[in-house]
Amino acid sequence: EADIYQTPRYLVIGTGKKITLECSQTMGHDKMYWYQQDPGMELHLIHYSYGVNSTEKGDLSSESTVSRIRTEHFPLTLESARPSHTSQYLCASSWGDNQPQHFGDGTRLSIL
Amino acid sequence: AQSVAQPEDQVNVAEGNPLTVKCTYSVSGNPYLFWYVQYPNRGLQFLLKYITGDNLVKGSYGFEAEFNKSQTSFHLKKPSALVSDSALYFCATRGGGNKLTFGTGTQLKVEL
Repeated sequence: EADIYQTPRYLVIGTGKKITLECSQTMGHDKMYWYQQDPGMELHLIHYSYGVNSTEKGDLSSESTVSRIRTEHFPLTLESARPSHTSQYLCASSWGDNQPQHFGDGTRLSIL
Repeated sequence: AQSVAQPEDQVNVAEGNPLTVKCTYSVSGNPYLFWYVQYPNRGLQFLLKYITGDNLVKGSYGFEAEFNKSQTSFHLKKPSALVSDSALYFCATRGGGNKLTFGTGTQLKVEL
């Protein structure tokens, strides 16, 4: 099993709250990714990072932001949660090109 | 743009029978193709990848995939299905920066 951890696993919270989803990996991977996935549906890349102080937006527009201050940590923040943000968020990491991405178990977010 | 298509939303197979989950790809240049599996409430697990070389790729848990350039396909196969193989399967192709584009997923149901 890959060592990539996401917390919390489940979060139910009210509209307007600030939320931070945590993602940490202990493999020393340079590349990290955030995906959004509605249950049983395809994944959409929302953010990625090639290393410390490197962050880029993905293919799917998202109101969230990310930071990469340390190699092992790639948190995702929603400044003001809305019901449209309800989804599952998956974090992944990898070595260089053509190497498989390793996924965490996700955070299932529900905004009331 | 890179893309993959999974034409079947669901595949049903009896335990012990061979299974095939279909994937076709559309890429510019050489294709880099992956298969992942997702169990309920879990992240994605890497099964196998095709980068170059033999058209038959062997992966985890007895799965294999056949790369067919003329048909632009990368079908996932297993000679004898198990009930425990029931899960959601994703085909993916790699773009720049090791970013993955996923298919819409195929739900595999293996019945006794």
